[in-house]
Amino acid sequence: NAGVTQTPKFQVLKTGQSMTLQCAQDMNHEYMSWYRQDPGMGLRLIHYSVGAGITDQGEVPNGYNVSRSTTEDFPLRLLSAAPSQTSVYFCASSSALGGLNTEAFFGQGTRLTVV
Amino acid sequence: GENVEQHPSTLSVQEGDSAVIKCTYSDSASNYFPWYKQELGKRPQLIIDIRSNVGEKKDQRIAVTLNKTAKHFSLHITETQPEDSAVYFCAASKNTGRRALTFGSGTRLQVQP
Repeated sequence: NAGVTQTPKFQVLKTGQSMTLQCAQDMNHEYMSWYRQDPGMGLRLIHYSVGAGITDQGEVPNGYNVSRSTTEDFPLRLLSAAPSQTSVYFCASSSALGGLNTEAFFGQGTRLTVV
Repeated sequence: GENVEQHPSTLSVQEGDSAVIKCTYSDSASNYFPWYKQELGKRPQLIIDIRSNVGEKKDQRIAVTLNKTAKHFSLHITETQPEDSAVYFCAASKNTGRRALTFGSGTRLQVQP
């Protein structure tokens, strides 16, 4: 049981390049989210999904796309990288028991630098 | 949408003292309030959570209190130890619509030996 797995751990991109951050969970969780973490700003929600085929925008969605074709996978695509997207990215998954939210589990993070 | 504010941003205590971190939230529909600890270079990990039907919850040296009327909740750590040094985040979510967590900005706790 690996939990939430993110790849890669580190990435350097040039401005304008595109890439996909991978996230996979093996806990059969319905809910998956992507956050970015910047100093002094906590974790801000980029996109989230309540199930396969359903995604929606969070607080800071511009410049990012997501899809959820399976319960397990929730990739985050950077369309045209900008220096403002330099950040640490975390994927998280959770479920609901009796309709009540439960613990969110985080991946190990991806440190992205855009030059 | 939900807004969560967290104070203080940094907190330094002596080993053995207590530490208190406070958060306020804006959406009265929020009903799940977890606290996460993040060590340097690591992922956030849940340390305790509370639901809106409970006013207080304890787990050994850690406790969380919730005041639904005032829309604030607090983390209390007693008998602090150097290994408690980390960044702590509060968060809020609700059981309808967007279930994703909204986080506070974090508190860096330093426990001085």
